[in-house]
Amino acid sequence: DQQVKQNSPSLSVQEGRISILNCDYTNSMFDYFLWYKKYPAEGPTFLISISSIKDKNEDGRFTVFLNKSAKHLSLHIVPSQPGDSAVYFCAASGSGSARQLTFGSGTQLTVLP
Amino acid sequence: DVKVTQSSRYLVKRTGEKVFLECVQDMDHENMFWYRQDPGLGLRLIYFSYDVKMKEKGDIPEGYSVSREKKERFSLILESTSTNQTSMYLCASSLMRAGELFFGEGSRLTVL
Repeated sequence: DQQVKQNSPSLSVQEGRISILNCDYTNSMFDYFLWYKKYPAEGPTFLISISSIKDKNEDGRFTVFLNKSAKHLSLHIVPSQPGDSAVYFCAASGSGSARQLTFGSGTQLTVLP
Repeated sequence: DVKVTQSSRYLVKRTGEKVFLECVQDMDHENMFWYRQDPGLGLRLIYFSYDVKMKEKGDIPEGYSVSREKKERFSLILESTSTNQTSMYLCASSLMRAGELFFGEGSRLTVL
């Protein structure tokens, strides 16, 4: 039973446009959400996070939005650059049985020049 | 600069052989983790450790064991490999128990 779902395995976007990556979760105990980026043959690197007390967090070109009622979060990249081409993983954690980070299956983003 | 180092980047083993994957972090983190990454399945937690000589099972511990004799070192052991253990293995550490993870570069294991 996947508690964190990324339903789009892949996404292609033109350079300069917006990339929107989506993530849904089912466990209401989750209260902290993170996005990781992974290039081939490298480990994932932390990108941005958001706590459930907020609905938006920005860091440069990256913005994460959290909709708690819909149990949905999204990562917006504006403007998209070819170097953003990577696999993006959504992850969530919380308290009790949800205290460990649970990862989604990832979305391969390709930014076309 | 923070660093998590995994001992082997690529390994090829035959079914039934033993594999020892070592991970070392230089950030003095209490918490260390082993994940495997498979296409379409994301990262799945195998084992984790919050302290020296302490270990806890993750979501998929079957067929694996771990060792944490020193704070900076967390080893994953596959006593008798099987083909379904062909995967990318990722070690990570963190300062907070459920905080940002710092990952190593991964060890790609192929079991024939």
